[in-house]
Amino acid sequence: GESVGLHLPTLSVQEGDNSIINCAYSNSASDYFIWYKQESGKGPQFIIDIRSNMDKRQGQRVTVLLNKTVKHLSLQIAATQPGDSAVYFCAESGGGTSYGKLTFGQGTILTVHP
Amino acid sequence: GAVVSQHPSWVICKSGTSVKIECRSLDFQATTMFWYRQFPKQSLMLMATSNEGSKATYEQGVEKDKFLINHASLTLSTLTVTSAHPEDSSFYICSARAADWDLGNEQFFGPGTRLTVL
Repeated sequence: GESVGLHLPTLSVQEGDNSIINCAYSNSASDYFIWYKQESGKGPQFIIDIRSNMDKRQGQRVTVLLNKTVKHLSLQIAATQPGDSAVYFCAESGGGTSYGKLTFGQGTILTVHP
Repeated sequence: GAVVSQHPSWVICKSGTSVKIECRSLDFQATTMFWYRQFPKQSLMLMATSNEGSKATYEQGVEKDKFLINHASLTLSTLTVTSAHPEDSSFYICSARAADWDLGNEQFFGPGTRLTVL
């Protein structure tokens, strides 16, 4: 569906804290999920992805959790740094006619205070 | 590797003029390129999917005669905003999906083009 995001959710954390950003997706047929980081005036930057046959995947300082039962995705950032401040988007991709097309969530603004 | 560029990075034009935005995959071949539009403080909205050598597939509500897409080669797709109006002012972002299976199913995003129509 269309994203209505005039007021993006915000998350403020202190440097060194862990951050958890949540995302609810709508299409139960989606089988591929990605988290992106977008800094002001730039394109999205890939962080981590997960397929629907997994419920957890870890990267460097980041972990993605997938709960297909409630169609929920989360991104955990360990030891958050000021450079992590950005807008974070989840995106989903499904099979069938929508293969390869990404549907983006509304985004969350993460602000990290030194 | 897997770098996507866009040109120009920003453009200001008068109402009624047409603007062309280029999207290039610099170090890989892209069978499919996608065009997104992003309004301030909003998410990315897919406008169209472009496959090399064939007509673009537009999302519902996107005027194909308004937003002309050409994907003439495996490394270049262009988006032309025809007869631009102030409401077309937005951040336009392209992405490219590689023809090389080693790069997986990932879409690689360009840095975006800021269009301002006066």
